[in-house]
Amino acid sequence: ELKVEQNPLFLSMQEGKNYTIYCNYSTTSDRLYWYRQDPGKSLESLFVLLSNGAVKQEGRLMASLDTKARLSTLHITAAVHDLSATYFCAVAHFGNEKLTFGTGTRLTIIP
Amino acid sequence: ETGVTQSPTHLIKTRGQQVTLRCSSQSGHNTVSWYQQALGQGPQFIFQYYREEENGRGNFPPRFSGLQFPNYSSELNVNALELDDSALYLCASSRLPGTGTGGYTFGSGTRLTVV
Repeated sequence: ELKVEQNPLFLSMQEGKNYTIYCNYSTTSDRLYWYRQDPGKSLESLFVLLSNGAVKQEGRLMASLDTKARLSTLHITAAVHDLSATYFCAVAHFGNEKLTFGTGTRLTIIP
Repeated sequence: ETGVTQSPTHLIKTRGQQVTLRCSSQSGHNTVSWYQQALGQGPQFIFQYYREEENGRGNFPPRFSGLQFPNYSSELNVNALELDDSALYLCASSRLPGTGTGGYTFGSGTRLTVV
């Protein structure tokens, strides 16, 4: 059974600082997704990572994938308050469309 | 290009009742998945439909059932509601099963409260 673990679960950081969220998964997969969720809202797609060594960047967020280590990271550079949200990684089961989500990381940016 | 729309946005039901949630897929998408997100947790896969057939199911009992229609809209039905069914129900559409390179588009969700 595919298991996805994220850490940390909670992250409080000051504006302007850098930090990384980690996503580990237990079995082979061909796709990994990162999503953002604001309180009471739906999921906003951030990144789709399809291959080993994939790196994608959008603004202050950068995601990478190491399929051999079964690890993805979401790096936040020079955090701003608008990035406060819960971030989920989700791993696709090999050969089908089912997504298994991590537990989420609740990020709070302090001015 | 329209997004994924879900209805209703909020719903309160009594334990033992039945509920139907609805989802309209994004234009051009032919696959729909349903997820349950309990408060403070990540979404859990319920099932997926492709071309009106169930195309995968998570660890949910048979009282969770679904339909997909020829226009790719979908319904999630839950019978004999239990208190633990209280959650945000998310619908996600994608273009084809097995690819998902474009990712999934999630709807805004239906918040179900069972009392």
